[in-house]
Amino acid sequence: AQSVSQHNHHVILSEAASLELGCNYSYGGTVNLFWYVQYPGQHLQLLLKYFSGDPLVKGIKGFEAEFIKSKFSFNLRKPSVQWSDTAEYFCAVNANDMRFGAGTRLTVKP
Amino acid sequence: EAQVTQNPRYLITVTGKKLTVTCSQNMNHEYMSWYRQDPGLGLRQIYYSMNVEVTDKGDVPEGYKVSRKEKRNFPLILESPSPNQTSLYFCASSLGGAVQETQYFGPGTRLLVL
Repeated sequence: AQSVSQHNHHVILSEAASLELGCNYSYGGTVNLFWYVQYPGQHLQLLLKYFSGDPLVKGIKGFEAEFIKSKFSFNLRKPSVQWSDTAEYFCAVNANDMRFGAGTRLTVKP
Repeated sequence: EAQVTQNPRYLITVTGKKLTVTCSQNMNHEYMSWYRQDPGLGLRQIYYSMNVEVTDKGDVPEGYKVSRKEKRNFPLILESPSPNQTSLYFCASSLGGAVQETQYFGPGTRLLVL
């Protein structure tokens, strides 16, 4: 079965800093990759997803992620974070069933 | 408005007292699922359902039951709750069960079992 690793548990940045959150998965076959975001007190919502085509995926709110098959990675990036990006971010992989990473809490200081 | 609703949002109970958390979606989705979220562990799937009367175990089904008698509803039942089931629970749905589909999540139910 597939598994997902998110290396950073808590990331603290200042506004306007660049963001990269790591996500690696273990599965040798075709995968579908997702990033979900959970704002404080809210439910999870989809940021972006990849299932085929261009490995550079653009999502909502200026986020993007790049699927690098050789590295089994799907890192999330944003060139300039805002205070409103403070949230918990979950990477997920769906090959046969959906598996989520442990999450990365992002705190953006104003 | 398209949404997944859960009730109750917060629940405090005692060990052994049966409880049900309801989940309902108004998007005519076939696939529904329950997750629990625990610190450092992310979301883990408890049960899922591909359609009415079709349910299957996820990663952590022990201590839970589900039913899918109607397409829109997918209640989670804890017959005899224990403190290790204290957690944040999310219901989710998607149009079908295809692996590339987006799941839509409910607002969560925070459960404390004393």
